[in-house]
Amino acid sequence: GENVEQHPSTLSVQEGDSAVIKCTYSDSASNYFPWYKQELGKRPQLIIDIRSNVGEKKDQRIAVTLNKTAKHFSLHITETQPEDSAVYFCAARGGSNYKLTFGKGTLLTVNP
Amino acid sequence: ETGVTQSPTHLIKTRGQQVTLRCSSQSGHNTVSWYQQALGQGPQFIFQYYREEENGRGNFPPRFSGLQFPNYSSELNVNALELDDSALYLCASSPRQDVETQYFGPGTRLLVL
Repeated sequence: GENVEQHPSTLSVQEGDSAVIKCTYSDSASNYFPWYKQELGKRPQLIIDIRSNVGEKKDQRIAVTLNKTAKHFSLHITETQPEDSAVYFCAARGGSNYKLTFGKGTLLTVNP
Repeated sequence: ETGVTQSPTHLIKTRGQQVTLRCSSQSGHNTVSWYQQALGQGPQFIFQYYREEENGRGNFPPRFSGLQFPNYSSELNVNALELDDSALYLCASSPRQDVETQYFGPGTRLLVL
């Protein structure tokens, strides 16, 4: 089955800096890659997603890139703010149903 | 807010008991997926329901079962609870026009003693 690896597990940046989180996946048939933000005690919130026919997608300060050949995708957050502090999960969807396989998460801390 | 709701918010059970968790999907959403999230881990897929039928299952034993109702709400049932079942249980619903995209509810935190 699909396996998703996520790095780093923790990331600390200064406010205004950029943050990059990377994920790799194993199933070459995977074609949908969402990113979720989960604040403490809250639900995972979809922040951006990308499909396999696109190499990059941007939404304001957030961007995701996808390299299908290398089977990895990354989340880029620019001009980080303290409210960006949360756990971020990448996920991949492959196969015949819509199961999402998640990475183990990255705890992002943005220091004021 | 995504509109997906779950009940109850918290639950404490003892080993061997049975539990039922409920999920109301957002209006216009006809697919519901259930996930288990252990502390410090990413969500793990349990199963998915579409048109009241199971549409895929993860690596969970048969004591995890579910239902979907005609109004697209859903239940997750867990029999013979074990200590390791303690986790946050999340449901996610998907709209008809974009079934890949999943929007999560707030979850039910289950503690098994």
